[in-house]
Amino acid sequence: DQQVKQNSPSLSVQEGRISILNCDYTNSMFDYFLWYKKYPAEGPTFLISISSIKDKNEDGRFTVFLNKSAKHLSLHIVPSQPGDSAVYFCAASNLPGGTSYGKLTFGQGTILTVHP
Amino acid sequence: SAVISQKPSRDICQRGTSLTIQCQVDSQVTMMFWYRQQPGQSLTLIATANQGSEATYESGFVIDKFPISRPNLTFSTLTVSNMSPEDSSIYLCSVRTDGNTIYFGEGSWLTVV
Repeated sequence: DQQVKQNSPSLSVQEGRISILNCDYTNSMFDYFLWYKKYPAEGPTFLISISSIKDKNEDGRFTVFLNKSAKHLSLHIVPSQPGDSAVYFCAASNLPGGTSYGKLTFGQGTILTVHP
Repeated sequence: SAVISQKPSRDICQRGTSLTIQCQVDSQVTMMFWYRQQPGQSLTLIATANQGSEATYESGFVIDKFPISRPNLTFSTLTVSNMSPEDSSIYLCSVRTDGNTIYFGEGSWLTVV
């Protein structure tokens, strides 16, 4: 049972345009959502997160939107740069501070390719 | 922040043998976790490494196959026992800091032949 799903295995965009990566979840107990970027031969690197009490969080070129009723979140990257080319993972957890925070449930990942 | 070092970074092992992966953090952390990423798959949590006590395993993972130690707040080991080709994966150490930030190591790439 895949509790976190990223239905697009890959996404290709032109440099300077917007990249939109999508993620759906099924478990209503998730309170906190994170996006990680992973380059080959490296561990995942934290990008941005959002709590279930918010619907938007922004950090520079990265914005995450959460639609709790639809159990859907998306990561927007504007403008996209060739260095953004990587695998992007959506992850879900309980709220920070809880005893089980840190146990992440990951989606399958989306390979983003940004063309110059 | 937390800097995580994993050893070995890569290894090729014979089936039936065991390999121990080490995770060292440069500062004391609240929690340590071990994940597995099989080829073409997502990251899956194996267990939470508990300091001074037995690890807490997720469904589908057992202590006999993946014994874990955490003797202090900065170090943990994961052993992959009696390996088969299906154990070929990236094994990742993850930590949660006091500031509730989650970091990952660079992973240990294991190939079983």
